[in-house]
Amino acid sequence: QQPVQSPQAVILREGEDAVINCSSSKALYSVHWYRQKHGEAPVFLMILLKGGEQKGHDKISASFNEKKQQSSLYLTASQLSYSGTYFCGTLEGTTDSWGKLQFGAGTQVVVTP
Amino acid sequence: NAGVTQTPKFRILKIGQSMTLQCTQDMNHNYMYWYRQDPGMGLKLIYYSVGAGITDKGEVPNGYNVSRSTTEDFPLRLELAAPSQTSVYFCASRSGLAGGMSYNEQFFGPGTRLTVL
Repeated sequence: QQPVQSPQAVILREGEDAVINCSSSKALYSVHWYRQKHGEAPVFLMILLKGGEQKGHDKISASFNEKKQQSSLYLTASQLSYSGTYFCGTLEGTTDSWGKLQFGAGTQVVVTP
Repeated sequence: NAGVTQTPKFRILKIGQSMTLQCTQDMNHNYMYWYRQDPGMGLKLIYYSVGAGITDKGEVPNGYNVSRSTTEDFPLRLELAAPSQTSVYFCASRSGLAGGMSYNEQFFGPGTRLTVL
């Protein structure tokens, strides 16, 4: 089942922070985050496995609350390069499931000078 | 390493025509995937493969076929193209080897933009 992302879009000024949420009605094995620039392929950011862990990638970090089947991506002190569409992909159940990700509809992020 | 390559980059088809979208990866990855992305939407899985000779349907397989005769290649065949198949098609691969979280990362090709008129 496709995860739900919110918000659909966010506009930031350089240096501001934002949070993108991804939630599922199913128990999740892992949550994956990708960023896609306009006209390009999605690029991997990070993976979170169940266990409530938090990871970071430069000033982009994420958390995974397995009890709520919810993950949040944190954009801290945003830079112009953070602009793009962010997708969460989820693996349901208790195993890797051959990596068959279910992607959310995406959150468009625009960072302005 | 070229990573994941896809051809063609763009294609316009007439209704009822057929074509094959090519995908090749040079990372010796076991797993390969085909996704479609409609405007303003997320990616939907069409077919996937866990190794040469092994393929299975994803979420939206109707109107498509795949084969995987080698580790490197995973072509997607469209038979009797329909306007509903207008989309951007992405191929992806991942190692699938155990022993580290990074094995779950999927590497995407640049995409094929297909229009069916």
